[in-house]
Amino acid sequence: DTEVTQTPKHLVMGMTNKKSLKCEQHMGHRAMYWYKQKAKKPPELMFVYSYEKLSINESVPSRFSPECPNSSLLNLHLHALQPEDSALYLCASSQNVAANYGYTFGSGTRLTVV
Amino acid sequence: GESVGLHLPTLSVQEGDNSIINCAYSNSASDYFIWYKQESGKGPQFIIDIRSNMDKRQGQRVTVLLNKTVKHLSLQIAATQPGDSAVYFCAENTGFQKLVFGTGTRLLVSP
Repeated sequence: DTEVTQTPKHLVMGMTNKKSLKCEQHMGHRAMYWYKQKAKKPPELMFVYSYEKLSINESVPSRFSPECPNSSLLNLHLHALQPEDSALYLCASSQNVAANYGYTFGSGTRLTVV
Repeated sequence: GESVGLHLPTLSVQEGDNSIINCAYSNSASDYFIWYKQESGKGPQFIIDIRSNMDKRQGQRVTVLLNKTVKHLSLQIAATQPGDSAVYFCAENTGFQKLVFGTGTRLLVSP
């Protein structure tokens, strides 16, 4: 299995809702990442997990809460989002943060906040 | 701050032509570079990568060139096909657990 799987593919949520995005990989990768991509812009790094521990938070607002319950799963919990948070959320993985190769991206979750 | 950028936001070519997409980077410490293809509604798809100890790497119909002297990266696509139409991003590994993306170039291939 050489894929990163993200669910759901599409999500519409209200500003008072709580939802979660899920990401899964079975490549044995020990680094996992969340990126945010606005329309016609490049992906921007949000969080980095290394061996299930948060190693980088790019000053992301607390309404985004990442979680890495095990080496194959990465979640992004969403609460009290704003319409400007609407974007494509991408998950990626790599062998580990030191091995600078083999980044694999999922297809993303298209999030719309209403 | 450090950044990765592209010179051409849109590149239009005819089917069968060769395409060249360029990228400038400013972080001299970056030692690994990747080109990604992103189609509408999809995640970035790996095309080819290159390490800083190389200046050229070839794949199937694609070649990446790295000029460290002028901090320039290019992606050459041979015999461009309509299926190559997409947005292309260069990305650099800055060595701080971060993969930083350039601004992207849209490639439009006409039949």
